[in-house]
Amino acid sequence: DAKTTQPPSMDCAEGRAANLPCNHSTISGNEYVYWYRQIHSQGPQYIIHGLKNNETNEMASLIITEDRKSSTLILPHATLRDTAVYYCIVRVVGATNKLIFGTGTLLAVQP
Amino acid sequence: NAGVTQTPKFQVLKTGQSMTLQCAQDMNHEYMSWYRQDPGMGLRLIHYSVGAGITDQGEVPNGYNVSRSTTEDFPLRLLSAAPSQTSVYFCASSGTFPLTEAFFGQGTRLTVV
Repeated sequence: DAKTTQPPSMDCAEGRAANLPCNHSTISGNEYVYWYRQIHSQGPQYIIHGLKNNETNEMASLIITEDRKSSTLILPHATLRDTAVYYCIVRVVGATNKLIFGTGTLLAVQP
Repeated sequence: NAGVTQTPKFQVLKTGQSMTLQCAQDMNHEYMSWYRQDPGMGLRLIHYSVGAGITDQGEVPNGYNVSRSTTEDFPLRLLSAAPSQTSVYFCASSGTFPLTEAFFGQGTRLTVV
């Protein structure tokens, strides 16, 4: 599975959009990009995933660059409850469903 | 729908003791896995299973055993606990890749003294 690189921490003002970057320059054509978050030592929570196209759900949007070497998770209106560690993970299609976590980005939403 | 249930939530062991961390899911998921998380770090994969009767090692398997006799259950066994195994343990399950997300339990906090 490709390695990902994320900034260790970011701040965001409450109500503003939070844009979390992820670099996955060695991603291959059959690898999906997944985002999970972990709120204060709870079990990680799935947010969104994508392969090539941009994706949106009720929680967030995922923007993947055309060359697929990087992506951005967007929380459109961050709240204090969005303060968490956000993990960007790439997974191979048809693999064993393994999720290999990095150290993630600690997003601190400020009032 | 309970999702993924881990027991116990907290446990203190003495060095050398053995114990089993329980994980059960009620979503009929094929894939289950165990992670450990040490302070300030991300989750590290211990063992995983792609279905009943099939298990494999993850990144940090030493000191842990698993088995998968049913689809629902995936217990993690510590044969002889060591202080280095003090950690928070998470169990996860997921269905057919890549269409479904992974669901995580709420964790077991284990302290080995």
